[in-house]
Order: sequence, then C-alpha cells, then structure tokens
Amino acid sequence: DTGVSQDPRHKITKRGQNVTFRCDPISEHNRLYWYRQTLGQGPEFLTYFQNEAQLEKSRLLSDRFSAERPKGSFSTLEIQRTEQGDSAMYLCASSAGAVNEKLFFGSGTQLSVL
Amino acid sequence: GDSVTQMEGPVTLSEEAFLTINCTYTATGYPSLFWYVQYPGEGLQLLLKATKADDKGSNKGFEATYRKETTSFHLEKGSVQVSDSAVYFCALSDHDYKLSFGAGTTVTVRA
Repeated sequence: DTGVSQDPRHKITKRGQNVTFRCDPISEHNRLYWYRQTLGQGPEFLTYFQNEAQLEKSRLLSDRFSAERPKGSFSTLEIQRTEQGDSAMYLCASSAGAVNEKLFFGSGTQLSVL
Repeated sequence: GDSVTQMEGPVTLSEEAFLTINCTYTATGYPSLFWYVQYPGEGLQLLLKATKADDKGSNKGFEATYRKETTSFHLEKGSVQVSDSAVYFCALSDHDYKLSFGAGTTVTVRA
C-alpha cells in the first residue's frame, strides 16, 4: 500500500492557461474523490467516481473543470482557462467504497495562478 | 445544506495539557461524524469517527462523542504531546460518499 499519490505537488501557471493534475489512488479502491482547499478553509467536495463512472459533481465545478477516470484506476482533473480564483490545493482521496469507509487522502497539488 | 462549525484557532498548549476542540454541525438527516487530522507535510488522515447518536469514537488518546441533542462532536485529549501538533478538521457525511469539512483548527503543542 503506497497510499494515494498526486502529481505534480506544485503548479504555477499564468491566467488563461490550461492545467492537468493526476491522481493515483490506492490500487484496490473503487471510489475516487476530488476536493479543493483554500487557505484557512476545510476541503470542499468537487466530484467523485465509482470505478470509471463520475457519479456526482459539485456546483463548485464550473464548465472549465473536467475530471476523468478512464479505466477506473488513475484520475485526471483538468482546469481550462485558469483564473486567479482557481488558486488552491487540489486534494484527491480514495476509498474501498463501503458505507462510512474512511477516505485516504493524497498530499495534494498546490495550484498558483498568476 | 449540511455544514460544520469548529472552534477557531490557532490553539497553543504545553505538553501534557488538556485539549478540547469544539465542533457543532447542521444536517437535515442523521449524519456520520468524523475528525480528520493533517500533520505537517502529510495528507489528511482519519483520526476517529462516530456513525450514530451517543457513539464515542476514539484513537491515539483522542475521543469524541456524537451528541445529537446538542448537535456536537467535540474532540478531546487528556494529555497532549508535541507530536499532536497538527491541523484538526471536523467533518460530517450525510451520504456515504461526500464529506463536509469545518475550517480546521491549528494546534501547536510546546515542549
């Protein structure tokens, strides 16, 4: 069990550019989650996958955001035409999918939009 | 919607002091309640949980009791150590897949 890994750890980009983050969950976990955390706040739910199916998206996830989990393993989160307000820590988590199962979080990708 | 309010920090304590972090929640249903902890340089990890009223979650000397009558889930530890320095998040889940987090409380324990 190597835990949830996220890449990159840090990303600095200019406003208007596209960025993509990757998350590798714990291998036997069928649920994968994306959260966003800004300074001084707790994580906010963005979206989650059961295997390859995206089952819910938060209203926080504008049309510029898209997430995929093509083979039910790793996931990518893409932000198009980044804005300064997108600057945040993007957290990925996974779980085995049982009710109230604990989530295993990665260390996150810190995005800074200049 | 569902929400969690937790005690603002930062909190600074001496080793062996008693720690309490208050957490109250608002939910339409019967949520499960959690405390997650983030140690410096690490990802969030589950500290303890309680899934129904009057349940007590415990781990690493920390405890929290699910109080439906006061909609609270306060975290306590009787004697903190320097290694307990971290950010603590209270959270609830009204569905089994979505957590709503509080803003976090930074705790620093001094030797």
